[in-house]
Amino acid sequence: DQQVKQNSPSLSVQEGRISILNCDYTNSMFDYFLWYKKYPAEGPTFLISISSIKDKNEDGRFTVFLNKSAKHLSLHIVPSQPGDSAVYFCAAYFSGGYNKLIFGAGTRLAVHP
Amino acid sequence: GAGVSQTPSNKVTEKGKYVELRCDPISGHTALYWYRQSLGQGPEFLIYFQGTGAADDSGLPNDRFFAVRPEGSVSTLKIQRTERGDSAVYLCASSLTAGITGELFFGEGSRLTVL
Repeated sequence: DQQVKQNSPSLSVQEGRISILNCDYTNSMFDYFLWYKKYPAEGPTFLISISSIKDKNEDGRFTVFLNKSAKHLSLHIVPSQPGDSAVYFCAAYFSGGYNKLIFGAGTRLAVHP
Repeated sequence: GAGVSQTPSNKVTEKGKYVELRCDPISGHTALYWYRQSLGQGPEFLIYFQGTGAADDSGLPNDRFFAVRPEGSVSTLKIQRTERGDSAVYLCASSLTAGITGELFFGEGSRLTVL
């Protein structure tokens, strides 16, 4: 049972344009969501997070939107840069627990000049 | 070093052999996690330690897998009688506490290949 789903395995975007990565979840108990970024041969690194009490969180070029009724979140990168090319993982958890993150399968973003 | 350190970075073994993977977390981090990432998948939770004790080992796939953290710092993931299906990248992560931010700091992983 896949509780966190990233249905697009890959995305290609031109430099300077917006990248939109999507994530759906099935468990309504999740109340905290995170995005991690992973380069080849490196571990995932934290990018941005959002609590379920918010619908938007912004950090520089990165914005995460949360639609609780649709159980959907998205990561927007504006403007996209070649250095953003990586695999992006969506993750979710119960804030009353202990950081047991449930990850999606990831979306590989390629930003080309 | 300042980050989470995992050794070995690569391990090739034969089916049926015993394997140990080591994780050295960030100094002072009390929470430690093991995840497994198979090809084309996201990291999958295996086990969580708070201090020396395993607070949740519900992700360990079977009794061939075992992990310890005897002094509350370094952890070792042990796999007995390895099978080809155990081939994956094993990721270790740590956090300062089991807090609410959810930010885990990951190591680069140990890639296990079982022939």
